[in-house]
Amino acid sequence: DGGITQSPKYLFRKEGQNVTLSCEQNLNHDAMYWYRQDPGQGLRLIYYSQIVNDFQKGDIAEGYSVSREKKESFPLTVTSAQKNPTAFYLCASSMGQANGYTFGSGTRLTVV
Amino acid sequence: SQQGEEDPQALSIQEGENATMNCSYKTSINNLQWYRQNSGRGLVHLILIRSNEREKHSGRLRVTLDTSKKSSSLLITASRAADTASYFCATYPSKGGKLIFGQGTELSVKP
Repeated sequence: DGGITQSPKYLFRKEGQNVTLSCEQNLNHDAMYWYRQDPGQGLRLIYYSQIVNDFQKGDIAEGYSVSREKKESFPLTVTSAQKNPTAFYLCASSMGQANGYTFGSGTRLTVV
Repeated sequence: SQQGEEDPQALSIQEGENATMNCSYKTSINNLQWYRQNSGRGLVHLILIRSNEREKHSGRLRVTLDTSKKSSSLLITASRAADTASYFCATYPSKGGKLIFGQGTELSVKP
């Protein structure tokens, strides 16, 4: 079955540490996205990529970095520069930006 | 700035009743989409309605779009406890760019 997989489901980060969240899709979608969701809030776009080896900043890119070396993969690194990283992170993909998105099941990141 | 705003923020109904959620937006759109999110899970795409469409159905879901009022509604008929979730509208602007999500409506269906 085609789908989008995020790992890990839960992640704990110490102060000053970088962590990487994985996102893999086998839907042959060109576009991929990373969103952050805080409790009771909507989704805020961190980064998106419309094609391999290209990505764009979203609304809240500071303190985050991404890469898109393969069509299937779009990992997100939460750097130590992100001062308030505790949140639920969602990865999504789509055939094009005007189409419906397929979401992963999310990674919950907590700073300890 | 948020493009889509859902109303109400929270809705509690009994099983079997209908649930109506509304979404308003500010700029012209190419399409509007509705998503469902169960607690602690990812979003699931429910339905996409294009700017030249007025109504769309999918099972117990009915979506309407009024571009003159810049608003949409999602109707869930004969609700079930399993419909308990947050529902988000998302708009794709006419000028392109990116999909913009609203804050969501939290629906609780009591058995």
